[in-house]
Amino acid sequence: GAGVSQSPSNKVTEKGKDVELRCDPISGHTALYWYRQSLGQGLEFLIYFQGNSAPDKSGLPSDRFSAERTGGSVSTLTIQRTQQEDSAVYLCASSPWGSGGRTGELFFGEGSRLTVL
Amino acid sequence: GQQLNQSPQSMFIQEGEDVSMNCTSSSIFNTWLWYKQDPGEGPVLLIALYKAGELTSNGRLTAQFGITRKDSFLNISASIPSDVGIYFCAGVGWGGADGLTFGKGTHLIIQP
Repeated sequence: GAGVSQSPSNKVTEKGKDVELRCDPISGHTALYWYRQSLGQGLEFLIYFQGNSAPDKSGLPSDRFSAERTGGSVSTLTIQRTQQEDSAVYLCASSPWGSGGRTGELFFGEGSRLTVL
Repeated sequence: GQQLNQSPQSMFIQEGEDVSMNCTSSSIFNTWLWYKQDPGEGPVLLIALYKAGELTSNGRLTAQFGITRKDSFLNISASIPSDVGIYFCAGVGWGGADGLTFGKGTHLIIQP
């Protein structure tokens, strides 16, 4: 499909395990965002990639969280030593727009639901 | 960072009623956007506003960019069952993540 693709759609893991969540943005989109959404709550910003610039990591809640974006396309969000409070839906979004212009017009994936037992 | 106050937090309405929700901030924004999230899905952009005072419609939806640049509202006329979901406002100002800030959302529930 032509949309943002995230995998896995659901992940159940045990406390203390590491998990990786993948995001395939829309081809050609230079901006990529990760958000976290706890049950019934709003969108918590995690990290933002824009082209070849250094990512904005200001939203990562702890050093257990990291993300990379290879070749300006696919991104992986890694959570080490998962905790129960990490349970949430992790949403990825991409955008063809850089700074200025139509900034804010994001295309979201369906999310990866993470459950930590 | 910049914050958006979105209200109401939830709305219980009857099918056919009109809906109004808004976002306010103490900061100025250059762009206001409204997204809708269906259950189990990611948010989808409904309307984007780029100029203070701008009023834009998309079918039964109407949104306005406040003249002070510190607020925006979204109206839905003659609600139907598929309008159920979470509506998020978002603003683009200055700061991290390309200056993009989201409100906490308005849960719209339509009673039969």
